[in-house]
Amino acid sequence: NAGVMQNPRHLVRRRGQEARLRCSPMKGHSHVYWYRQLPEEGLKFMVYLQKENIIDESGMPKERFSAEFPKEGPSILRIQQVVRGDSAAYFCASSPDRTQETQYFGPGTRLLVL
Amino acid sequence: DAKTTQPTSMDCAEGRAANLPCNHSTISGNEYVYWYRQIHSQGPQYIIHGLKNNETNEMASLIITEDRKSSTLILPHATLRDTAVYYCIVRVYTGNQFYFGTGTSLTVIP
Repeated sequence: NAGVMQNPRHLVRRRGQEARLRCSPMKGHSHVYWYRQLPEEGLKFMVYLQKENIIDESGMPKERFSAEFPKEGPSILRIQQVVRGDSAAYFCASSPDRTQETQYFGPGTRLLVL
Repeated sequence: DAKTTQPTSMDCAEGRAANLPCNHSTISGNEYVYWYRQIHSQGPQYIIHGLKNNETNEMASLIITEDRKSSTLILPHATLRDTAVYYCIVRVYTGNQFYFGTGTSLTVIP
């Protein structure tokens, strides 16, 4: 049973470009969560999605950031017009259908903005 | 924000038990205690969780005090691969997010 998959594992962008981060949840999981970890800090919640719905985006920056989890395919975290302060590790987690209990995390995407 | 207090760092000799404390004096009756760890910037790994009874699984044991204001994660025989940052988190069972504080950096020494 494959775990949470994230790609790419490393992403380099220049200021002003767009970054797209992908997350495939564990098989049978329809709840996806995105977290960001800045250097030397703990993980910070960004957004919680179910298939085709954003349930909680209280941790998302108001501008340039968006997330989706379509009916088919992976969840996407999109960052437009990236700035150096967006450089961080972005982790995706998923949880089972029936309850939200434990979240299982992917390996993360390391974004570096030059 | 995080509702837990953990020591910043700890050392443990390889093969000995590692006891990681956590204070959560404001925990509510419907909040669980979860433990995760993060090994060298990998994704956080779930370890164990509990409400009020002590819990044990293949990785660790969780001891929760009777008043639920503190808990201890026990790794019975620490190995070098257990070197990681350990996060103690309290959360309602069906909450949307985990609040990760700064955790305890555990170093297992040969």
